[in-house]
Amino acid sequence: EVQLVESGGGLVQPGRSLRLSCAASGFTFDDYAMHWVRQAPGKGLEWVSGISWNSGSIGYADSVKGRFTISRDNAKNSLYLQMNSLRTEDTALYYCARASGYSSTRNCFDPWGQGTLVTVSS
Amino acid sequence: DIVMTQTPLSLSVTPGQPASISCKSSQSLLHSDGKTYLYWYLQKPGQPPQLLIYEVSNRFSGVPDRFSGSGSGTDFTLKISRVEAEDVGVYYCMQSIQLPLTFGQGTRLEIK
Repeated sequence: EVQLVESGGGLVQPGRSLRLSCAASGFTFDDYAMHWVRQAPGKGLEWVSGISWNSGSIGYADSVKGRFTISRDNAKNSLYLQMNSLRTEDTALYYCARASGYSSTRNCFDPWGQGTLVTVSS
Repeated sequence: DIVMTQTPLSLSVTPGQPASISCKSSQSLLHSDGKTYLYWYLQKPGQPPQLLIYEVSNRFSGVPDRFSGSGSGTDFTLKISRVEAEDVGVYYCMQSIQLPLTFGQGTRLEIK
């Protein structure tokens, strides 16, 4: 069974850092690009970042560029999101999602994890 | 960035009746490879989104045939031929032709 399990969320003060992880299982991890998508409470979906199968292509939403860093460890079947200089507007449920192919574009997302909640508040 | 605009933002439908959601993109989603990179997702209450339609009109595995997608270029439509109670949730369109990937605002479907 294909599974994505996010972890690392929690309550953090503005300006601090947090590192999210996504553990993948049930498929050949390095055959696929991976993405982070977030959803603020009661709001819609916002793509955050994506990374190609070999980390050769990486993209970020303007809202997180320069503050967040996506990475992956294919040997560990894991995806990461290092979030620095967190702001209150980063408060959201962060989903890990597998792309339908190896590229960070021209693909869709399936499956999605259940998400990990990040709350940025003083 | 490509802006995705969905209408309506909410729908209230009687079971057995049809429903239709429009999604318009600010740029063409037709790639030089001939494919159009427009997708539809449904987020049921309390769940992560699930893929319904890929590349405009292809139903994903396990999606009932009452769901259909159509359109081209910048104008797209998701149709439900006969709404069922299990179809409640928020529907999103998404483009993946270029980064940043972008979603529509979402359309909330409720049952009358």
